[in-house]
Amino acid sequence: KQEVTQIPAALSVPEGENLVLNCSFTDSAIYNLQWFRQDPGKGLTSLLLIQSSQREQTSGRLNASLDKSSGRSTLYIAASQPGDSATYLCAVEVNYGQNFVFGPGTRLSVLP
Amino acid sequence: DADVTQTPRNRITKTGKRIMLECSQTKGHDRMYWYRQDPGLGLQLIYYSFDVKDINKGEISDGYSVSRQAQAKFSLSLESAIPNQTALYFCATSDDWGEQYFGPGTRLTVL
Repeated sequence: KQEVTQIPAALSVPEGENLVLNCSFTDSAIYNLQWFRQDPGKGLTSLLLIQSSQREQTSGRLNASLDKSSGRSTLYIAASQPGDSATYLCAVEVNYGQNFVFGPGTRLSVLP
Repeated sequence: DADVTQTPRNRITKTGKRIMLECSQTKGHDRMYWYRQDPGLGLQLIYYSFDVKDINKGEISDGYSVSRQAQAKFSLSLESAIPNQTALYFCATSDDWGEQYFGPGTRLTVL
């Protein structure tokens, strides 16, 4: 059974720092991996989607990498801002269109 | 307007009541999903649908049922609500690449 973990569970950094969030999955047979942002009490916003054949995706200050063989993905946030404060979740698609497994999330606080 | 909408946004009900949560989407996606989220836990899949005629159970479907009325509409029902169904419920769609789009969520409290 696919399991997804995220480390750390919570992170607090001063504004302007570069930071890395980690996502690990136990079964490398995935179709894709997606990173989301969730603000308190709100829905999930898609940040980046990495297909299984890709190594990384970039959007603005965000860069996500994928290493299927080791079961790892990282989300790199450059020059963090207080507006980046949120919970970040990763999810893997296990069976095409059927089964998405989510990690528990990393709660990020960026202090002014 | 939001691509995926959910109604109601908040609901408080009593044990034993029947509850329906509704989801509509304007993205034109065939695939739709219902998840629940509990504090400190990841999202858990309740049901998913590939089209109007295709409904599938997820990992935690007991106590829930769904109806896909049209490509754009996917409803979740709790036939007899119980307190441990208190959670945040999300509807989502996905495109052919597997990218998921979520609604704003429904906060359900069962007393």
